[in-house]
Amino acid sequence: AQSVSQHNHHVILSEAASLELGCNYSYGGTVNLFWYVQYPGQHLQLLLKYFSGDPLVKGIKGFEAEFIKSKFSFNLRKPSVQWSDTAEYFCASFSGSARQLTFGSGTQLTVLP
Amino acid sequence: DTAVSQTPKYLVTQMGNDKSIKCEQNLGHDTMYWYKQDSKKFLKIMFSYNNKELIINETVPNRFSPKSPDKAHLNLHINSLELGDSAVYFCASSPSLRLNQPQHFGDGTRLSIL
Repeated sequence: AQSVSQHNHHVILSEAASLELGCNYSYGGTVNLFWYVQYPGQHLQLLLKYFSGDPLVKGIKGFEAEFIKSKFSFNLRKPSVQWSDTAEYFCASFSGSARQLTFGSGTQLTVLP
Repeated sequence: DTAVSQTPKYLVTQMGNDKSIKCEQNLGHDTMYWYKQDSKKFLKIMFSYNNKELIINETVPNRFSPKSPDKAHLNLHINSLELGDSAVYFCASSPSLRLNQPQHFGDGTRLSIL
């Protein structure tokens, strides 16, 4: 069964600091990978997605993620965070065989002004 | 216009009651889902429907019964509510079950059991 691991449960940064959130997936077949963001009290929104091709994926709001197949990783990065980036971030993988989206446990990002 | 809408947004009720949460999507998608997000923010899929047909039914108590009257709606009915059912329930939809299609989420329904 596929699984997604996010090792950072809570990350606290100051504004303008660089961000990297870890995500590892376990499924060895074809996967499609996503990062979703959930702002306080809101629904999940898609930040970016990887299906194939260039392993460096650009998303909205200055976020990017790099797919490294050999490490089964899909880490999320942002060069300079803002206070408005405070939210919960979820990595997810979609397995075609299981036909479902599996989420990681989420990382709470708090950006201090 | 809200793409995936859930009602109600908040639901507070007593143990043992029966309640329903409604979900509608106006995106023309074929596939709809229900997720449960627990107090630790962990998201877990409960059900998925494709063209009104049940595709995924994870290990969910029989007290939870999804109903899809048409492909734009996927309602969740819960019988004999228990304390452990307290969570935020998210509805989502995607064009189909194909890999490269991200899901669109509703705003969630916060269910609190007294």
